[in-house]
Amino acid sequence: GAVVSQHPSWVICKSGTSVKIECRSLDFQATTMFWYRQFPKQSLMLMATSNEGSKATYEQGVEKDKFLINHASLTLSTLTVTSAHPEDSSFYICSARKVSSNQPQHFGDGTRLSIL
Amino acid sequence: ELKVEQNPLFLSMQEGKNYTIYCNYSTTSDRLYWYRQDPGKSLESLFVLLSNGAVKQEGRLMASLDTKARLSTLHITAAVHDLSATYFCAVPDFGNEKLTFGTGTRLTIIP
Repeated sequence: GAVVSQHPSWVICKSGTSVKIECRSLDFQATTMFWYRQFPKQSLMLMATSNEGSKATYEQGVEKDKFLINHASLTLSTLTVTSAHPEDSSFYICSARKVSSNQPQHFGDGTRLSIL
Repeated sequence: ELKVEQNPLFLSMQEGKNYTIYCNYSTTSDRLYWYRQDPGKSLESLFVLLSNGAVKQEGRLMASLDTKARLSTLHITAAVHDLSATYFCAVPDFGNEKLTFGTGTRLTIIP
C-alpha cells in the first residue's frame, strides 16, 4: 500500500486563489520531504526540500514567497501555492524516504493543479 | 551541478523485442534509482542500485550500474505491451537525498 499520501489529487481553481497541498508519510517519520513539479511531457524538477522544524530549502529559481512550505510534524509537509496563476498549472509531487535506510524515496500520488 | 541524461527520449518497439535505455550522469554518486511513470500517475519505484557493478532484475526488466563510467542501463527483454510507460533514472546528490531526474524515456510497445 501507499507509504506517502498526497492530497488533493486534482484541483481546479480561479486565478488568484491560494491552494494548499498536503503530503503525509503514513507509516514512518520523515524529517525531510521533497516537493517536485512536473510540466506535461517533461521530467520532474525539484522545487524545494522540506525540513521538519526549520525552513525549507528552495532550489534556484523557485520563489519562496510563491510556494510556501511548512513541515510542522514528522509526518506532514504542506505546500501552498499562493495567488496561483495559469503558469502555475502543473503536476506537483511530494516524496519522502525512511531515514537511515537504503530504500528509495517514496512518492505521493501527485496533485494536478489547473488554474483557470 | 549534477546533470542526468537519458537516451533515447522516445522509443517505440514491437512486442517481443529487446532494447536498452541508457542513463548518464555527470558527477560522483553512490546510488541510482529507476522509476516508472504511467500517464497521469505518480512514480513507481523499480530499482535501487547501490554499488558499482550492481545488477537487479525484475521480470523483463534488468538494471545495472557502473559508477566509474557514471552509467546505468535499463534493459528490456521480450517487451510486452504492459511495459509501455515513461521511465526515469534519478541520481541523488552525493551525501544527501536531493534527486536529479533524467529526461525520461517514453516507451511505447506496439502489439
